[in-house]
Amino acid sequence: KAGVTQTPRYLIKTRGQQVTLSCSPISGHRSVSWYQQTPGQGLQFLFEYFSETQRNKGNFPGRFSGRQFSNSRSEMNVSTLELGDSALYLCASRDGYHTEAFFGQGTRLTVV
Amino acid sequence: AQTVTQSQPEMSVQEAETVTLSCTYDTSESNYYLFWYKQPPSRQMILVIRQEAYKQQNATENRFSVNFQKAAKSFSLKISDSQLGDTAMYFCALGYGGATNKLIFGTGTLLAVQP
Repeated sequence: KAGVTQTPRYLIKTRGQQVTLSCSPISGHRSVSWYQQTPGQGLQFLFEYFSETQRNKGNFPGRFSGRQFSNSRSEMNVSTLELGDSALYLCASRDGYHTEAFFGQGTRLTVV
Repeated sequence: AQTVTQSQPEMSVQEAETVTLSCTYDTSESNYYLFWYKQPPSRQMILVIRQEAYKQQNATENRFSVNFQKAAKSFSLKISDSQLGDTAMYFCALGYGGATNKLIFGTGTLLAVQP
């Protein structure tokens, strides 16, 4: 069974640009959540989707948005990038019945 | 407030020795779960062990075991017979049953296993 796949693995963007990150969950998993990991703030919850609906949202500005498609794949978008958005973005999937969340390898975003 | 605290930023242990990583948490919910995740240099978060709050018995997975003290809101991880491959950042996390997939993480403990 394939794991959680995040693309791209690395990304360099310029301040003011926007970026879209993708997450394909484990087959059969309908829940996808996103986390931002930085040295200063640690791991912070961004948002969670289940069956195409946002179920939870963390304390991030409106520049951070996401969506989930009917095949459970999820995307997150960050508009008007700031230097402070440089981080490792992790996606996790869960099947909705069990508690374990399985993580992808992350997307390393660098804003210059 | 829901918080997870890991008070040991870094720890070191000799190969084959035993080490214990500490974690305390705070939650007002009754249906919750606790996890230890490992993040090696590859950055992939790997589930090490989980504990259901309603279970009194401490979880065990091979060389990994937990000491879950519900009243004290303490959840420590014991690694026995430490191996070089155990070198990683370890995160304690709090999750909830039911619909949500949201996890609240501690700040992590960097464990170095020395040969």
